[in-house]
Amino acid sequence: NAGVTQTPKFQVLKTGQSMTLQCAQDMNHNSMYWYRQDPGMGLRLIYYSASEGTTDKGEVPNGYNVSRLNKREFSLRLESAAPSQTSVYFCASSEKTNTEAFFGQGTRLTVV
Amino acid sequence: GNSVTQMEGPVTLSEEAFLTINCTYTATGYPSLFWYVQYPGEGLQLLLKATKADDKGSNKGFEATYRKETTSFHLEKGSVQVSDSAVYFCALSPKYAGNKLTFGGGTRVLVKP
Repeated sequence: NAGVTQTPKFQVLKTGQSMTLQCAQDMNHNSMYWYRQDPGMGLRLIYYSASEGTTDKGEVPNGYNVSRLNKREFSLRLESAAPSQTSVYFCASSEKTNTEAFFGQGTRLTVV
Repeated sequence: GNSVTQMEGPVTLSEEAFLTINCTYTATGYPSLFWYVQYPGEGLQLLLKATKADDKGSNKGFEATYRKETTSFHLEKGSVQVSDSAVYFCALSPKYAGNKLTFGGGTRVLVKP
């Protein structure tokens, strides 16, 4: 059971570089999410997609863009990386309202 | 807006000690409440949940009761093991606008043999 798969697991970028974090789920879930995790701040929602074809901003969307490519895949793009975007990024998915979210293993991103 | 407040850690315990992690929330209406656990180097896993007032979620010896009157969802375990060392997150999900989880800041628990 793959569940939620994120790639890459680790990445180092230079300031100003761009990259895309990939996420795919095989549970036929409608909703997908991108969170970032910073020490002492828990998880903060960057963007989410309630269903295929829709995306919405979360709590901290600045500096990021997303694409819901299809029902399975939800990517997060950093157009011009900044040191403040150094974090651990988690993708998650859920079936519907009030059901639990399933998380990927995370991507540790360092921007130097 | 919605928010979750949980006690700051780290919490250091000896094996077989009693664990309590406090969690209180602010939300419109009656959200669903969750506890997630994150083991070192891993993603978050659902530990337990409760969807309405007075519900008790339980799993792996952990319990939490949805208390509407005190807007709380405290996590408890009667006898912890070294393998319970992890970061625990309290979260809520409103019953509208999709399943957007709001997380607390996390509590690191370290259990020593």
